[in-house]
Amino acid sequence: KNEVEQSPQNLTAQEGEFITINCSYSVGISALHWLQQHPGGGIVSLFMLSSGKKKHGRLIATINIQEKHSSLHITASHPRDSAVYICAVWNRDDKIIFGKGTRLHILP
Amino acid sequence: DAGVTQSPTHLIKTRGQQVTLRCSPKSGHDTVSWYQQALGQGPQFIFQYYEEEERQRGNFPDRFSGHQFPNYSSELNVNALLLGDSALYLCASSLLRSNYEQYFGPGTRLTVT
Repeated sequence: KNEVEQSPQNLTAQEGEFITINCSYSVGISALHWLQQHPGGGIVSLFMLSSGKKKHGRLIATINIQEKHSSLHITASHPRDSAVYICAVWNRDDKIIFGKGTRLHILP
Repeated sequence: DAGVTQSPTHLIKTRGQQVTLRCSPKSGHDTVSWYQQALGQGPQFIFQYYEEEERQRGNFPDRFSGHQFPNYSSELNVNALLLGDSALYLCASSLLRSNYEQYFGPGTRLTVT
C-alpha cells in the first residue's frame, strides 16, 4: 500500500461542476502539498497545509490531521483546470512522498 | 526573475550510456532537489543538494549521482542507463530554511532505447 493514496485516479466533469479530489496518507507529516501538473510536465505548487483550510480563488484545500486526510476542491470548474493534481506529504524525516496524481478533465 | 530552468528539454539515449541533466535554481535559492517521474506515476525523490553536499537521498542506486556548484546550480548524472530509467526528471529549488516551499522546473524527458 502506498503511503499517499489519491482518489479518484481519473475524473471527467462538465464545466461549472464542483470538483473534489481526496488524499489519504499513512505516515506522520510535517506538511502537505497540493500540486498541479499540466501536459508537458511543469509542476506548480497550489497549497501547502499543516492544518485547517486554505482558499485561493476557486481552489480550496482542507486537511484533517487526526484522520490523515486532505481534500482539494475546485468550484465552478473550467476547462483550463484540466491537469493532473498531485498530493505530496513531508514526513517526519523531512522527506517528500508523492501520490500518483488525479487526472482531471473538464469538458466545455 | 527567472524561475527554475532545466536542460535539455528532451533527451534520447541508448542502454548502457551515461547522461547528465542540468538545473539552475530560482534566484536566491540555495537548495536543489531532483525527482524522477515515470509515466502515469507521481514523482519520486532522488536526492537533495545543499552547500555542494548531498543532504538527503531517496531509494535510488549509486548509478544516480549529482553535484552542486558554488553558484547553486546542479547536475544529475545517471550511469549505465536502463530502459527503466526512461522518465521525466524534475528539479526543484528552495531555501533550506523553508524547504517545504519548493519551486519546480519544467523537467527533462529522458528516453532510453
